[in-house]
Amino acid sequence: AQSVTQLGSHVSVSEGALVLLRCNYSSSVPPYLFWYVQYPNQGLQLLLKYTTGATLVKGINGFEAEFKKSETSFHLTKPSAHMSDAAEYFCAFGGATNKLIFGTGTLLAVQP
Amino acid sequence: DVKVTQSSRYLVKRTGEKVFLECVQDMDHENMFWYRQDPGLGLRLIYFSYDVKMKEKGDIPEGYSVSREKKERFSLILESASTNQTSMYLCASSSPGLNNQPQHFGDGTRLSIL
Repeated sequence: AQSVTQLGSHVSVSEGALVLLRCNYSSSVPPYLFWYVQYPNQGLQLLLKYTTGATLVKGINGFEAEFKKSETSFHLTKPSAHMSDAAEYFCAFGGATNKLIFGTGTLLAVQP
Repeated sequence: DVKVTQSSRYLVKRTGEKVFLECVQDMDHENMFWYRQDPGLGLRLIYFSYDVKMKEKGDIPEGYSVSREKKERFSLILESASTNQTSMYLCASSSPGLNNQPQHFGDGTRLSIL
């Protein structure tokens, strides 16, 4: 069965520190992978996507993610956290089925 | 930019009422989706549609129905609202190619059933 797992429902970092949000997937077919961000009382906004090609994907707001097939991972990183990065982040997987599967989300808190 | 508009940001209804949630997109997208979002559960797909008058059940269709009479509009219907349908509802749309195209989301409707 295809699935996506986000490790850590809550992550807290200091302003200026590295942000690392983890996402692992399970699939027998090549995946399409996405990261979305949700600010309070808003819908989801696409941060970045991996479909084919370069495994290091750059997105908006300084975020990037690396597709590692051997580790079935697609972790999201940002070198230096900003207060405005505080939000909930969702990893999503598209595989052989005709719909996206979303992880349960990681709430990122940024401490001053 | 793609604009997905949900008709209400907040809605309060009573148990047993028939509730309509409306969603309109302006990018001529074929695919439209309805999700509900609950803490700790992420997004769960209720229904989706990849063409006018076409619909498919998602993971949690029970107690819901949908209507897509026009390409730009996708309505979610709670036939007889119950308290366990209190949730945030999110509408999304995307280009063809269901599983490799990003979905564009509306701002959500926070629905309370009393």
